[in-house]
Amino acid sequence: AQSVTQLDSQVPVFEEAPVELRCNYSSSVSVYLFWYVQYPNQGLQLLLKYLSGSTLVKGINGFEAEFNKSQTSFHLRKPSVHISDTAEYFCAVSDKKNTGFQKLVFGTGTRLLVSP
Amino acid sequence: DSGVTQTPKHLITATGQRVTLRCSPRSGDLSVYWYQQSLDQGLQFLIQYYNGEERAKGNILERFSAQQFPDLHSELNLSSLELGDSALYFCASSVVTSFTDTQYFGPGTRLTVL
Repeated sequence: AQSVTQLDSQVPVFEEAPVELRCNYSSSVSVYLFWYVQYPNQGLQLLLKYLSGSTLVKGINGFEAEFNKSQTSFHLRKPSVHISDTAEYFCAVSDKKNTGFQKLVFGTGTRLLVSP
Repeated sequence: DSGVTQTPKHLITATGQRVTLRCSPRSGDLSVYWYQQSLDQGLQFLIQYYNGEERAKGNILERFSAQQFPDLHSELNLSSLELGDSALYFCASSVVTSFTDTQYFGPGTRLTVL
């Protein structure tokens, strides 16, 4: 079984500052990794995903994440945040063993608060 | 807009009642997933259907059931509702191939049980 730990429940940051949202996972098999964003009163939107290949993954809205297998981490980064990035961010993992019938396991979420 | 639609957007009902939530997947997606998001449990996977058949079960209560119809839309039925069932219920869909298993989420149905 997989599990995901998002170490920070809330991350306050000033506009135009860099940000890193941390995600660690636990799994006995290879995994796919995802970051989703949930804006207030909206559903989840996929930011980026790691399936295989390059460990640095670029997503939408200027976000990127790096897969580190040895540290079982998939931290999300953005070099310069905007007020509009204020949202809840969820890291998720899926078991590669059951490709095609994946179950996503989510972390508890990190609320990113961007202030002027 | 993810292409996944969910109705209704909001639902308010009383304890002991039964409700049905509806989901229409993106065009071409054969897989539908249901998730529950609540303050105490976070985001939890409930159940998955693929082309009309149940494929995976998560933390779904026996009072809950789902089905996927021939036109691929899905319904989640919640019965004997309790206060603790109040949550945001998301539906997601995916194509289901070996490397493009991204799930696309609908806007959710907010259920309030009074």
